[in-house]
Amino acid sequence: NAGVTQTPKFQVLKTGQSMTLQCAQDMNHEYMSWYRQDPGMGLRLIHYSVGAGITDQGEVPNGYNVSRSTTEDFPLRLLSAAPSQTSVYFCASSSLLAVYNEQFFGPGTRLTVL
Amino acid sequence: DQQVKQNSPSLSVQEGRISILNCDYTNSMFDYFLWYKKYPAEGPTFLISISSIKDKNEDGRFTVFLNKSAKHLSLHIVPSQPGDSAVYFCAASGDDKIIFGKGTRLHILP
Repeated sequence: NAGVTQTPKFQVLKTGQSMTLQCAQDMNHEYMSWYRQDPGMGLRLIHYSVGAGITDQGEVPNGYNVSRSTTEDFPLRLLSAAPSQTSVYFCASSSLLAVYNEQFFGPGTRLTVL
Repeated sequence: DQQVKQNSPSLSVQEGRISILNCDYTNSMFDYFLWYKKYPAEGPTFLISISSIKDKNEDGRFTVFLNKSAKHLSLHIVPSQPGDSAVYFCAASGDDKIIFGKGTRLHILP
């Protein structure tokens, strides 16, 4: 099992560029989510999904889009990057039966927007 | 509106002593509380959780205490070891969401 994988590990964008952060899991988890971690701000929930075809907003959804066409993949799209989106992004997954217990996190993507 | 608060950004503890990390929450609808540990350049990893119907859960050196009336939980690590140096996040879950605190950086001193 690879667990939760994220690509790329690092990315530098210019303001206004778009990109997709990839997230995949091989544990057949229904629940997947995206967080951003900023200094002094902890982990803030961006979007989450309880299954294929179902997504919902978290605490800080503005500027991000998600889709969930398969159980395995949950990409995060930045349509027009802004410097305020400079952050470390973590994807996580869990079984719906365990969503209130253990989430498995990926290693993170460090994004810099110039 | 910060629903999960970790008011101590950092904590230093002597190796072998007890580490106590604190967390407060505001939403009475939370029904599970969790602690995650994070090393630099890695994703957080689950440590221990507690249901809102319990007041204590223990797993080896780690114990979580929940005081619902005070909306307060704490993580006790006994004895503290060098490998415990990390950032610890408190989290609370409910309504399909998991909300994290800002984290406490724990330094274990030799």
